[in-house]
Amino acid sequence: DQQVKQNSPSLSVQEGRISILNCDYTNSMFDYFLWYKKYPAEGPTFLISISSIKDKNEDGRFTVFLNKSAKHLSLHIVPSQPGDSAVYFCAASINDYKLSFGAGTTVTVRA
Amino acid sequence: NAGVTQTPKFQVLKTGQSMTLQCAQDMNHNSMYWYRQDPGMGLRLIYYSASEGTTDKGEVPNGYNVSRLNKREFSLRLESAAPSQTSVYFCASSKTGSTEAFFGQGTRLTVV
Repeated sequence: DQQVKQNSPSLSVQEGRISILNCDYTNSMFDYFLWYKKYPAEGPTFLISISSIKDKNEDGRFTVFLNKSAKHLSLHIVPSQPGDSAVYFCAASINDYKLSFGAGTTVTVRA
Repeated sequence: NAGVTQTPKFQVLKTGQSMTLQCAQDMNHNSMYWYRQDPGMGLRLIYYSASEGTTDKGEVPNGYNVSRLNKREFSLRLESAAPSQTSVYFCASSKTGSTEAFFGQGTRLTVV
């Protein structure tokens, strides 16, 4: 049973607008959350992370929000650019380095 | 700086054949991992190695064996390939205690 779920398999957004990717988890023991980005024929690359002691982390155009009571996190990309078109994976871990991944959301940024 | 290198990039096997997927990293990381990616499933951990000489099972270890040959290399072996093992396989590495893993480009394996 998947403990990390990304319920939207795809997202299409216009260039310059905000992209919001959502992720839900079931295990309340998760204490560290990450987002990875993946282009076709390449391996995933680390994008941004957040510890469970925080509710927001920002890095340039990327912001991750964590709502522990709802077991929900989201990734905001503002403004969206064509190079952001990729698959985004949400991942979570419990006090170690074994990651549980969501199924991914494919983002397409339209010109 | 090559990062994490996987070989081969593509492979087709017949059911029952064996093969070894190779992985090497040049970042002096202690931890290494093997994941498989299937449509609609995300990445699932097959095996990981916290340090040279140690390995442990992940979420989906059945049908696989691993060897942590040295600090740089971590190989994944399929002893008797099955169609259910058709997948894209990713090797990754990270610093001790870090979940920010660096991934290789992947091996696309088809078992017919």
